[in-house]
Amino acid sequence: AQKITQTQPGMFVQEKEAVTLDCTYDTSDQSYGLFWYKQPSSGEMIFLIYQGSYDEQNATEGRYSLNFQKARKSANLVISASQLGDSAMYFCAMRRGNTPLVFGKGTRLSVIA
Amino acid sequence: GAGVSQSPRYKVAKRGQDVALRCDPISGHVSLFWYQQALGQGPEFLTYFQNEAQLDKSGLPSDRFFAERPEGSVSTLKIQRTQQEDSAVYLCASRRLNTEAFFGQGTRLTVV
Repeated sequence: AQKITQTQPGMFVQEKEAVTLDCTYDTSDQSYGLFWYKQPSSGEMIFLIYQGSYDEQNATEGRYSLNFQKARKSANLVISASQLGDSAMYFCAMRRGNTPLVFGKGTRLSVIA
Repeated sequence: GAGVSQSPRYKVAKRGQDVALRCDPISGHVSLFWYQQALGQGPEFLTYFQNEAQLDKSGLPSDRFFAERPEGSVSTLKIQRTQQEDSAVYLCASRRLNTEAFFGQGTRLTVV
């Protein structure tokens, strides 16, 4: 079974600062994918970034980067230069193959001006 | 449309009433997923289609929940005899094989 753990219910960050959202996962599979989604108050889940278990380099997408430490089974999201519009819920998720995503409980990020 | 469309956005149902939630996936997306998201929680998997075939319905909480995708495009999630614990946001997602999933804005169901 796959499991995602997000231990930070809420985080605060000053505008223009960087913030790291933690995610650890548990799986016995060798091949899997890790995802981060953003959910603003409007409710839609917005895909941010993907990391494959065999990818040797950490994924980056604009201001988002994924700090992937396979041996520690962690996939932390780093948001650089935080903006007020980054305030939202952030979910870490994983899947193997074409199976459904398994989500963590999420972290609420609040960006302070 | 360009994205996943769900309707209605909001639904209030009296306990015992049947409801039907609709999902229009992105054109050409083979896989379609339904998730249930309780307040303050992450989405929980309900069921999954590949084209018209329902490949996994292990997440449906009871036999009051039923989903279909008869032509491999639009999907409907039906909940019979709604109960208060069914109150949640129901999210639909679609994707091509082995790509990221795109989500709709969800249907917020409130059972009173």
